[in-house]
Amino acid sequence: DTGVSQNPRHKITKRGQNVTFRCDPISEHNRLYWYRQTLGQGPEFLTYFQNEAQLEKSRLLSDRFSAERPKGSFSTLEIQRTEQGDSAMYLCASSPQSQETQYFGPGTRLLVL
Amino acid sequence: SQQGEEDPQALSIQEGENATMNCSYKTSINNLQWYRQNSGRGLVHLILIRSNEREKHSGRLRVTLDTSKKSSSLLITASRAADTASYFCATVATDSWGKLQFGAGTQVVVTP
Repeated sequence: DTGVSQNPRHKITKRGQNVTFRCDPISEHNRLYWYRQTLGQGPEFLTYFQNEAQLEKSRLLSDRFSAERPKGSFSTLEIQRTEQGDSAMYLCASSPQSQETQYFGPGTRLLVL
Repeated sequence: SQQGEEDPQALSIQEGENATMNCSYKTSINNLQWYRQNSGRGLVHLILIRSNEREKHSGRLRVTLDTSKKSSSLLITASRAADTASYFCATVATDSWGKLQFGAGTQVVVTP
């Protein structure tokens, strides 16, 4: 049973660098979500894909953030010119069209120095 | 911004005791879900209750929903040390396709 996987699990970068995270959802899940979670808080929605179409982006997703899901399978989240405020856990989740439950990956923890 | 608030922020109990946590939200919802998160890891879905339901059970979990008060509660009966985790409620708004809006969570510690 392969759940949602995310890579890398941890990333340390210097301010101003670009980073890219990958999410592999459960196969045949056509919905994919990205969330961001800071310490002591609940996850906050970033963006949503249905198949390859990005249907909604949060206002949290500044123009330095971009997400893709080119073939409706895996997704990437890129942050350009990272800032210290980008330090957080980035969570990916997927779900099938027929379900409202979301299945979360283990997250990528980003630290911007 | 967070959808609502959870109460208490932290809860410390002994094994065998019951743990109750509450969640309030702001918008009209399609459903409300509870998730668990072990330290530094991803979230695991526990239970979903729809807006037309008032109570739901799953194993040692009991969830209630009061849409007139825009609130929900999660009860864990006969707690175990393995229940130590953060618990989050998340709502799906009526005009939403499934986006989850989370509360800030309740951190539960169960001591043996």
